[in-house]
This record gives sequence, C-alpha cells and structure tokens, in this order.
Amino acid sequence: DQQVKQNSPSLSVQEGRISILNCDYTNSMFDYFLWYKKYPAEGPTFLISISSIKDKNEDGRFTVFLNKSAKHLSLHIVPSQPGDSAVYFCAAIENSGYALNFGKGTSLLVTP
Amino acid sequence: DTGVSQDPRHKITKRGQNVTFRCDPISEHNRLYWYRQTLGQGPEFLTYFQNEAQLEKSRLLSDRFSAERPKGSFSTLEIQRTEQGDSAMYLCASSLEGGSEAFFGQGTRLTVV
Repeated sequence: DQQVKQNSPSLSVQEGRISILNCDYTNSMFDYFLWYKKYPAEGPTFLISISSIKDKNEDGRFTVFLNKSAKHLSLHIVPSQPGDSAVYFCAAIENSGYALNFGKGTSLLVTP
Repeated sequence: DTGVSQDPRHKITKRGQNVTFRCDPISEHNRLYWYRQTLGQGPEFLTYFQNEAQLEKSRLLSDRFSAERPKGSFSTLEIQRTEQGDSAMYLCASSLEGGSEAFFGQGTRLTVV
C-alpha cells in the first residue's frame, strides 16, 4: 500500500521558470517530510525537509510547502536550472519512526 | 570523503550464488539503514541498526536476506541463493539517533543472471 504518492512521473520546465513537484500522503501519523534528489546510478541526496508543525521551509532556490489538512506537500524550485534535472523523491516518516516511506519519484527535466 | 560509502558499486552474479555488500556510514552516525530500489519505484526500507543492535528486520524480503553490524560501525547485507528478482539497487543510509534526515550512499547495483 503506497502511503506516499507522487502522481506525476515526469515534468518538463524551461530554465529560469518555476518547477513545482507535488506529493500526497495517506498516513496521518507522518509528521516529518523530506525531499531527495537522485541522479542516475547514484544514491538519493537529501535536499530539504519540513516538520508537520510548519507549513513552509525555504533553502535558497528550494521551498517546500506543507498542507496538513489536505495531506499534500510540494517542492518549488525557483529559478530552475538544467543541473536540477534529476528524479525527485518525496519521503515521509512517523514521529519516533525509523523508516522513510518514499513515493515513486518525479523525473524533472529542465531545458535550456 | 566523509559520506556514506558502499562497496561494490556493481555486482553481477549467477542465480543461486551468495552475495555480500558492505556499507560504511558517516562516522558519527549511530543509525544505519538498508533500502532496496527497483526500477520505477522509490527506495523500500529493509532493516536498520542502532549501533550494533538490529532493531527492525521484519521487512527484510525473505529469510535469504540478512544483515549485520558487528561493531556498530560498518554493516554488511548478505543475500543467499540469489534469484533474478533480487536484481535491484541496494542502498545504505545513516543518520544520527533521532535524526530524520538519512544520508544515502551511492548504492550497489546487483544484477542476477
């Protein structure tokens, strides 16, 4: 049972524009959310996270928004750069949990 | 390089053979995790250690899979009698106790032929 869902397998955005990647979850016990970026043949790289007590966290070009009532989060990348082209995974973890629950990922392509 | 290190990066083995992968976590991290990723899927949790204690192993895929972390530092994941369905990327990650941000290694790509 997929508790974390990324319904868009792929996204294409022009360089300089905003990329918005979406993630939905079903488990109300999740209280910490993370985004990972993955290049082919590499392990996932931690990007940004957000606690359930917040609705926004920003780090440079990356901002994550959390809507707990809708069980939805999104990652905004502004401005998008060609080097951002990768697969982005949304992950969630329960309070005092240990296992990250991942979505299937969204492949982002940023074109020049 | 002080990140998570995995060895080997690639492994091709014949069906029925045993394979062992090694993971060296970030030195100050006392939690170590193993995940598996197959094509088109996100990483799937397998097991984790806090120091040398394996605190969760019920999600290992079968009794052919086992993991150890004998001295609380590096860990090994062994798959016995490999099957073609075991072909996947095996990822190791580490974190601080109570830390939710897990840092991943580059993975070991296993191909069973």
